[in-house]
Amino acid sequence: EAQVTQNPRYLITVTGKKLTVTCSQNMNHEYMSWYRQDPGLGLRQIYYSMNVEVTDKGDVPEGYKVSRKEKRNFPLILESPSPNQTSLYFCASSTRQGLYGYTFGSGTRLTVV
Amino acid sequence: GIQVEQSPPDLILQEGANSTLRCNFSDSVNNLQWFHQNPWGQLINLFYIPSGTKQNGRLSATTVATERYSLLYISSSQTTDSGVYFCAVGGRQGGSEKLVFGKGTKLTVNP
Repeated sequence: EAQVTQNPRYLITVTGKKLTVTCSQNMNHEYMSWYRQDPGLGLRQIYYSMNVEVTDKGDVPEGYKVSRKEKRNFPLILESPSPNQTSLYFCASSTRQGLYGYTFGSGTRLTVV
Repeated sequence: GIQVEQSPPDLILQEGANSTLRCNFSDSVNNLQWFHQNPWGQLINLFYIPSGTKQNGRLSATTVATERYSLLYISSSQTTDSGVYFCAVGGRQGGSEKLVFGKGTKLTVNP
């Protein structure tokens, strides 16, 4: 089944403790990206990657890092999480130029206390 | 950047009713999708529809790209249709290919 897999689905952590949210896709898509969803602010892009070893900032990149060492994986790294990073996170993938649409993962609900 | 407006923001229906959700966008796009966010937060892809008309069971969608709007039709609504419906458009913006989401329509279907 074609899908984007995120882990974990739920995570509660403490301020400053480094964490990684994993994202993997099995569709051989070139393009991958991360979004966060917050009440009143909607979904906003954090980082994106056009292909292996090519990443760039989205609209809200502060406090996040990403890497794209393999085509299928695009982890999101929070080196020193803060409470304002409490949010619902989504990973998405597509072919270049979004042809045939974007496929989203099931989401990761992160709480930073 | 591209602006996406959805209407209405909230919609309450009785089970069995029909509804139309609208999405207006401000510029030409090469991608338009409708999503349903269920109560567990998952984004379910309903349609990839940059132009034309598609149908999937009780749901159908039409995009008129030249007039920059899309419509999502829900017929014979069921309580499981409740949730938030998002329209998202994509195009090359400042070198980034990304989806811009509308604020959504919150649909409540009562039994």
